[in-house]
Amino acid sequence: AQTVTQSQPEMSVQEAETVTLSCTYDTSENNYYLFWYKQPPSRQMILVIRQEAYKQQNATENRFSVNFQKAAKSFSLKISDSQLGDTAMYFCALGGSNYKLTFGKGTLLTVNP
Amino acid sequence: ETGVTQTPRHLVMGMTNKKSLKCEQHLGHNAMYWYKQSAKKPLELMFVYNFKEQTENNSVPSRFSPECPNSSHLFLHLHTLQPEDSALYLCASSQDIRGLEFGEQYFGPGTRLTVT
Repeated sequence: AQTVTQSQPEMSVQEAETVTLSCTYDTSENNYYLFWYKQPPSRQMILVIRQEAYKQQNATENRFSVNFQKAAKSFSLKISDSQLGDTAMYFCALGGSNYKLTFGKGTLLTVNP
Repeated sequence: ETGVTQTPRHLVMGMTNKKSLKCEQHLGHNAMYWYKQSAKKPLELMFVYNFKEQTENNSVPSRFSPECPNSSHLFLHLHTLQPEDSALYLCASSQDIRGLEFGEQYFGPGTRLTVT
């Protein structure tokens, strides 16, 4: 069975600062995918960043980057230069050899002006 | 936000009502999904369709009845729901169900359902 744990239910950060959201996971598969999804208030969930487990290089997308520690089964999301529009629920998700995704409970991030 | 659309965005229904949720995707995908999102809980996968065929029913009560007339449309028919069924119902689509190396899931905005 796959599990995803997000230990921070809520976080806040000042505009322009950097924040890191934590995610740990467990899986018995050797090849898997990790995702961070963002769900703004009353808006749809969108993919922020994706990491293939077989790639050692950490994925980056503009201000968003991950710290993927495969041995520790850790997959944290770093948001640099936080913007008000980054306020949202962030979900960490794990996918294995099929289409099924296992989601964490989410972290509510608030960016303060 | 036009890739996957859902209607209605909000729905309030009594326990004896019958209603339907609609999802439409404009991405040319072949797989569609229904998820239930409750507060402080992970997303729960309910149903999966691939090329209009149901491939997954995740032990969902029969008061939820999915329908997939074609690869672009997905419905969730609701009847005699319970208050604990109140949640955000999300639709998603992907290229197909072969695996995540072939692409990730794209989500709709959801229908906020309240059962009174």
